Amino acid sequence: AQSVTQLDSQVPVFEEAPVELRCNYSSSVSVYLFWYVQYPNQGLQLLLKYLSGSTLVKGINGFEAEFNKSQTSFHLRKPSVHISDTAEYFCAVSSFLQGAQKLVFGQGTRLTINP
Amino acid sequence: DAGVTQSPTHLIKTRGQHVTLRCSPISGHKSVSWYQQVLGQGPQFIFQYYEKEERGRGNFPDRFSARQFPNYSSELNVNALLLGDSALYLCASSEIGDYGYTFGSGTRLTVV
Repeated sequence: AQSVTQLDSQVPVFEEAPVELRCNYSSSVSVYLFWYVQYPNQGLQLLLKYLSGSTLVKGINGFEAEFNKSQTSFHLRKPSVHISDTAEYFCAVSSFLQGAQKLVFGQGTRLTINP
Repeated sequence: DAGVTQSPTHLIKTRGQHVTLRCSPISGHKSVSWYQQVLGQGPQFIFQYYEKEERGRGNFPDRFSARQFPNYSSELNVNALLLGDSALYLCASSEIGDYGYTFGSGTRLTVV
């Protein structure tokens, strides 16, 4: 079974500092990986996804992530954060279950930006 | 274009009651999936429907059921509500084979 581990439940950083949110996955098959952001009282918004090809994936709002197959990681990075980046971030892996295509999510990382 | 729309946005129910949540997918998307997000956790897969047929079910009791209509909208039904069913219920639409899942804003269900 596929699973996702987000290594940090909370990450506080100062505005304009760089940030890395860590994600490790376990899977015995080819993986498709995703990062979603959830602002307070809202649904999930897709930041970026890795399906194949280049291991460095660029997403919206200046975020990027690097797929590392040997380390089974898909860490999310941003070189300079803004107050508006304060949110919950979820890493997910796509899984197939008896004909269903589903996402398996990590527990989330709360990113807090301090001025 | 309208995104994924869910209704109602908030709902309060009493233990033992049943509830129906609704979802309209993005135009042209034929697959709808439902997720439950308990406070402080990541979303958990409940169902996927495609072309009005259930394609998969997560680890949820039979009190949870769903259906998809000819216009691809969907309903999630939960019977005999428990306090533990309190959560944000998210709907996502996609095309089969397309990994661009789009989520709605969710329905916040509180069971008292």
